[in-house]
Amino acid sequence: DQQVKQNSPSLSVQEGRISILNCDYTNSMFDYFLWYKKYPAEGPTFLISISSIKDKNEDGRFTVFLNKSAKHLSLHIVPSQPGDSAVYFCAATGAGGTSYGKLTFGQGTILTVHP
Amino acid sequence: GAGVSQSPRYKVAKRGQDVALRCDPISGHVSLFWYQQALGQGPEFLTYFQNEAQLDKSGLPSDRFFAERPEGSVSTLKIQRTQQEDSAVYLCASSLVGNTIYFGEGSWLTVV
Repeated sequence: DQQVKQNSPSLSVQEGRISILNCDYTNSMFDYFLWYKKYPAEGPTFLISISSIKDKNEDGRFTVFLNKSAKHLSLHIVPSQPGDSAVYFCAATGAGGTSYGKLTFGQGTILTVHP
Repeated sequence: GAGVSQSPRYKVAKRGQDVALRCDPISGHVSLFWYQQALGQGPEFLTYFQNEAQLDKSGLPSDRFFAERPEGSVSTLKIQRTQQEDSAVYLCASSLVGNTIYFGEGSWLTVV
């Protein structure tokens, strides 16, 4: 029962172009969504998040879009840089309290940005 | 320390052996989490502490898994009678309540 799905195992993009990573979820109780970035042999690093009361959140080159009706979110990276090459995980959690931090992760998408 | 520190980084255990994995959270972080990440998968929640209280252990896969945080700081995840399916990266994370969660680098467990 995969409640958070990242259907693309990998994505290859040219430096300077846009990278779009997608994520779908099934649990309508999720109301807070996060993206983490992971380099080999390191732990996941928080990148950007969005609450369900918003449909867009931007931080520098990174923008996350949320479509609640479609239960879909995406991460846009513009412009992509070779240093962005990593595994990207989408994660979701329900309303506050003890559920905060109980993240449900997708399987990850390997992003490769070519110079 | 500056970040979440985990030890050992790498552990090879023989099947049936007990292992203990240690986590030093960021100083002052009240919340502490353990996750398990199998090869090619995303991390999966195991358990959650707020200070020394274990508020959620719904993700622990069996009674061979036990976690503690007796003084509300350092935590230990213990796996008894390890089996091959326990091979994974065990990630510890910490946060202030309701804030960004910071992960450690993980303890890589291989059961042979």
